[in-house]
Amino acid sequence: QKEVEQNSGPLSVPEGAIASLNCTYSDRVSQSFFWYRQYSGKSPELIMSIYSNGDKEDGRFTAQLNKASQYVSLLIRDSQPSDSATYLCAVTHKGSARQLTFGSGTQLTVLP
Amino acid sequence: SQTIHQWPATLVQPVGSPLSLECTVEGTSNPNLYWYRQAAGRGLQLLFYSVGIGQISSEVPQNLSASRPQDRQFILSSKKLLLSDSGFYLCAWRGGGETQYFGPGTRLLVL
Repeated sequence: QKEVEQNSGPLSVPEGAIASLNCTYSDRVSQSFFWYRQYSGKSPELIMSIYSNGDKEDGRFTAQLNKASQYVSLLIRDSQPSDSATYLCAVTHKGSARQLTFGSGTQLTVLP
Repeated sequence: SQTIHQWPATLVQPVGSPLSLECTVEGTSNPNLYWYRQAAGRGLQLLFYSVGIGQISSEVPQNLSASRPQDRQFILSSKKLLLSDSGFYLCAWRGGGETQYFGPGTRLLVL
């Protein structure tokens, strides 16, 4: 069974600090990896996608992928109160429809 | 640009009543379409996906069904709702790339 696991949190960091969110997945043939942000009562919005080993940076966000360890992470630098949300890790499996499997999410609170 | 619509935004239904949720996508052709459900405080569970008109694949056995009568229209239905059907229903689309994009969602409460 394909599974995606995240540290459930909640995670609290002070404003300006680095927030580190972690995710592991069970299916070795997983191909694409995504981080979505979901504000309370809203739908998920894409933050980052990553497809190959290493780091990918976009502004204050850095995604890190290690396929050998089946591990993907998201770092948020200079955290802001507006970053307070639930962060969902998602993994695409091989298949024509590219179905996503989601983790249960990590709730992040950035304290002013 | 592409946009995705869902309606209604909120729905309160009695147990045993029927359900019809609609999702439409604009600005793209032949998208892959997905229905997810999110229970309170939980992750997203894939319910159905469709790669084309009339093509529906089910991920989880349940009392729900899905249909795709037009290229950019995806409908989620039930003949008789259960209490356990309560949740946040999300429609998503994927074009030629890898990323799925979500609609605003429908919050369903079954009483």
